[in-house]
Amino acid sequence: DAKTTQPPSMDCAEGRAANLPCNHSTISGNEYVYWYRQIHSQGPQYIIHGLKNNETNEMASLIITEDRKSSTLILPHATLRDTAVYYCIVWGGDDKIIFGKGTRLHILP
Amino acid sequence: GAVVSQHPSRVICKSGTSVKIECRSLDFQATTMFWYRQFPKQSLMLMATSNEGSKATYEQGVEKDKFLINHASLTLSTLTVTSAHPEDSSFYICSARDYRLAGFEDGQYFGPGTRLTVT
Repeated sequence: DAKTTQPPSMDCAEGRAANLPCNHSTISGNEYVYWYRQIHSQGPQYIIHGLKNNETNEMASLIITEDRKSSTLILPHATLRDTAVYYCIVWGGDDKIIFGKGTRLHILP
Repeated sequence: GAVVSQHPSRVICKSGTSVKIECRSLDFQATTMFWYRQFPKQSLMLMATSNEGSKATYEQGVEKDKFLINHASLTLSTLTVTSAHPEDSSFYICSARDYRLAGFEDGQYFGPGTRLTVT
């Protein structure tokens, strides 16, 4: 079973920041938080990952709470092309990735 | 980042026939690849772990005789859907990890998927 819980869907206005929450209260000390997204009829695309510290790259920022039980993916300036299903995954790196149901993000023009 | 390809991208076959789907790691060697299946409006469901040079490990509920997996080289894994039926129609996705990377880096790399339609 997936070790993460996400809201099934969210809306965000184009140009605004999209904040996608994820709960992972049973995360182990050696497990990372990964975020992927899947645009319709494509394979999942890597976005960002982190262990303890907040991370930022050209696509997004990842905020992880101090107790590591939850995190938030931030897309700073959402565009229509960011419409996708976003998956938050907890992964230790040496085994298979189990996907939860993800969050379907709708960007509104 | 590393690239994983799949072939074909779309396939239509008649009920009762077999279909082979290829998954290739293009610029890295993958001792382990993973196969997922995704039905419309649903998440990816892991079917099996493909190990180079050894038997695949199937998830509970996945028929190993129906979904044959061969990982004959470090860059190629194949999934054969035998005696396909309409209920096997789905989006099949493979993934692989570049074990050269010291950290987890980009995690696993996913292929673009193969849309199988069984008529």
